[in-house]
Amino acid sequence: DAGITQSPRHKVTETGTPVTLRCHQTENHRYMYWYRQDPGHGLRLIHYSYGVKDTDKGEVSDGYSVSRSKTEDFLLTLESATSSQTSVYFCAIRETSGLDTQYFGPGTRLTVL
Amino acid sequence: GESVGLHLPTLSVQEGDNSIINCAYSNSASDYFIWYKQESGKGPQFIIDIRSNMDKRQGQRVTVLLNKTVKHLSLQIAATQPGDSAVYFCAESSSGTYKYIFGTGTRLKVLA
Repeated sequence: DAGITQSPRHKVTETGTPVTLRCHQTENHRYMYWYRQDPGHGLRLIHYSYGVKDTDKGEVSDGYSVSRSKTEDFLLTLESATSSQTSVYFCAIRETSGLDTQYFGPGTRLTVL
Repeated sequence: GESVGLHLPTLSVQEGDNSIINCAYSNSASDYFIWYKQESGKGPQFIIDIRSNMDKRQGQRVTVLLNKTVKHLSLQIAATQPGDSAVYFCAESSSGTYKYIFGTGTRLKVLA
């Protein structure tokens, strides 16, 4: 599992509330990613990070922000949650020691009512 | 979890038979490909990968074939077992981009 944990694993919240999801890794990987997974779509990239305080947008970044103040933690924030952000969110790391393999965390199921 | 698979094509195979799951990739510049397995309620799990300088790569009970001419990738699972039941999807990447493009997946059902 490449030492990736996500918290919380499940969350139900109301429209308009802020939500922060946490991804934690224990193996000092430089690259970290946040994806969302919805029926009928492949995994879609929200934001990614290529180092501490270095982040960039993915294809579905609107309504999301991220922060990476430490190598091991990558936070995803929904400033004001909407029902369209109901999804399963996955964090991933990219190994750079050999091939460019991505490994995923267990996911967070978020429901916005 | 289960809701992810609502719109997926399904491949049903008998236990013990071989399975072949296909994937068409989109970017001619992609040079690295990964197959993932995702069980209900879990994160995608790495199965096998292949670089574009190879046509075939074998793992334990799995083989990935790459046809760059037609931009096609396949995953072959030998002697399919009930534990192989899951959603399988491919991912592609190109050197230097640090990004991946994911397919929507195929649901594999293993019949006893």
